[in-house]
Amino acid sequence: GAGVSQSPRYKVAKRGQDVALRCDPISGHVSLFWYQQALGQGPEFLTYFQNEAQLDKSGLPSDRFFAERPEGSVSTLKIQRTQQEDSAVYLCASSRRGGQGAKNIQYFGAGTRLSVL
Amino acid sequence: AQKITQTQPGMFVQEKEAVTLDCTYDTSDPSYGLFWYKQPSSGEMIFLIYQGSYDQQNATEGRYSLNFQKARKSANLVISASQLGDSAMYFCAMREGRNSGGGADGLTFGKGTHLIIQP
Repeated sequence: GAGVSQSPRYKVAKRGQDVALRCDPISGHVSLFWYQQALGQGPEFLTYFQNEAQLDKSGLPSDRFFAERPEGSVSTLKIQRTQQEDSAVYLCASSRRGGQGAKNIQYFGAGTRLSVL
Repeated sequence: AQKITQTQPGMFVQEKEAVTLDCTYDTSDPSYGLFWYKQPSSGEMIFLIYQGSYDQQNATEGRYSLNFQKARKSANLVISASQLGDSAMYFCAMREGRNSGGGADGLTFGKGTHLIIQP
């Protein structure tokens, strides 16, 4: 596709349920990032993949959060036993190159809005 | 301490006027990149402009320019001839180089400025 695609756009979960959020990056993009955006705040980094390797998961808030990118393309962010504080927009971004190069523009999807009741 | 500070929670600007959105940053790393993104109500973060710490000239992209003052650690976004479609949240973000010895690979964002263009 032309851009980063995320699904579902909206997800309502009961507290304690597991959820899975999907991200389809721009075709051929090596790097993939997940962010969490609370209401009225800027996005906060969760985790980073270079191809299928998860190189940085320092932003994951707890061991209930798990991300994977098994074939180096589509990624899934899974949240187990959801809590009300997990309610947020989850944004996925991809960039063409890997590595730490500062000018590695990240292109974002429209996000998944998760509401935990 | 916050790494990215955006001091203007909201701004109202008349259509066709120029607008400056403030951003200051904090890093000890000599290598870093600064980014501005626009987030309309649809939720998608749209990349606007990039400035590298070693770039000699201020970045420009169409109606967007970045007023980069390295000594002051500021990277203000200037939008010329504002349009109604410019109404959105605007986020300043930074990515530091490896020299810092730490930090995530992702971008660090400010809290954003809500820009409203009035006809």
